[in-house]
Amino acid sequence: DAGVIQSPRHEVTEMGQEVTLRCKPISGHDYLFWYRQTMMRGLELLIYFNNNVPIDDSGMPEDRFSAKMPNASFSTLKIQPSEPRDSAVYFCASSSEQGALPWNTEAFFGQGTRLTVV
Amino acid sequence: ELKVEQNPLFLSMQEGKNYTIYCNYSTTSDRLYWYRQDPGKSLESLFVLLSNGAVKQEGRLMASLDTKARLSTLHITAAVHDLSATYFCAVDSYGGSQGNLIFGKGTKLSVKP
Repeated sequence: DAGVIQSPRHEVTEMGQEVTLRCKPISGHDYLFWYRQTMMRGLELLIYFNNNVPIDDSGMPEDRFSAKMPNASFSTLKIQPSEPRDSAVYFCASSSEQGALPWNTEAFFGQGTRLTVV
Repeated sequence: ELKVEQNPLFLSMQEGKNYTIYCNYSTTSDRLYWYRQDPGKSLESLFVLLSNGAVKQEGRLMASLDTKARLSTLHITAAVHDLSATYFCAVDSYGGSQGNLIFGKGTKLSVKP
């Protein structure tokens, strides 16, 4: 498997524009996570899905952020309108419960999207 | 709310020396993970610790888990420059079924000749 694939790798946009980040999880994984990484706040979980259903979106900073997972092989994170403080690296990760209890829930990360809002 | 604290946050060490990074967490969990991140890169899984007393070793790195103390350690033996990176511990937020991973702030390790 090619691993978790994110696109684009880099995105520069102007304040107020809509930004869409994309993620393809590892085939067979039924959990998908969106994280944001900044120097100030470290790695923050934004939202995660199980079997395409959003389970916990309490980390989504505000209504400008939305995430969807229309099928098991694709997810999007949208920011509308974007603001300079949204500049960060956004990671997508996927996992699947493996083996006997306690399940190995190790998450595998994509290469990230570096977003710059000017 | 689950909190994960790492210390130190910055570590500068000389090649050949030993050191330990600590990861404390605030709630019951028996699943802990260590990741490595090189500058500008993604997170790479290093160790998966799934039970109390679990110990894993890979090269100069050894990780252990004490669920009673809610503590994991990452021990570095005879450090080399290639180990320079940021190391994160992450704890599964639910003790039973799958939850989400809560990460510590990371320990930035710099190994100098």
